[in-house]
Amino acid sequence: NAGVTQTPKFRILKIGQSMTLQCTQDMNHNYMYWYRQDPGMGLKLIYYSVGAGITDKGEVPNGYNVSRSTTEDFPLRLELAAPSQTSVYFCASKPGTGLLNTEAFFGQGTRLTVV
Amino acid sequence: AQTVTQSQPEMSVQEAETVTLSCTYDTSESDYYLFWYKQPPSRQMILVIRQEAYKQQNATENRFSVNFQKAAKSFSLKISDSQLGDAAMYFCAYAGTYKYIFGTGTRLKVLA
Repeated sequence: NAGVTQTPKFRILKIGQSMTLQCTQDMNHNYMYWYRQDPGMGLKLIYYSVGAGITDKGEVPNGYNVSRSTTEDFPLRLELAAPSQTSVYFCASKPGTGLLNTEAFFGQGTRLTVV
Repeated sequence: AQTVTQSQPEMSVQEAETVTLSCTYDTSESDYYLFWYKQPPSRQMILVIRQEAYKQQNATENRFSVNFQKAAKSFSLKISDSQLGDAAMYFCAYAGTYKYIFGTGTRLKVLA
């Protein structure tokens, strides 16, 4: 069981470039989330998904897009990268609802720098 | 919209002493869960303790316990007998029907 896997671990982008951050989970979790964590700050929810084909905006969705074509994969797309998108990005998943199913499992994070 | 607020950016505690980290939240949902996560420098997110909103009894996990005040929308974390390994960022988190949101975190320093 690999859990939640994010790729790449590090990336440097130039202003205006685009990229996709990959997130895959092998736990058959319905719920998946993308967060960004700026230095010394908390996690801000970018987008989330409650199942294949269903996505919705979080707290800071501007400049990002997501898709959820399968239960396993939840890629995050950055279009026209800006320096303000320099951050560490975390993907997370949880099984469903109920106390024991609500613990979030996190990937290792992707450190993105936009220059 | 749901919000989570941690008003203590940084706290210090002497080894073996007790420290309490504060968290307040706002929601209109009736069924939700609250969590404390620990994030060491490795950036790994580690679940410390969880609480169901409809349970009055405060959760306890070894040296970690919470004080859950539903009417006040308050969810504080108490760490007893603090250890050097407890030093980390601590995040309060809210899980509602769909969203899973975090506070800004409290950096805990443990002094030897």
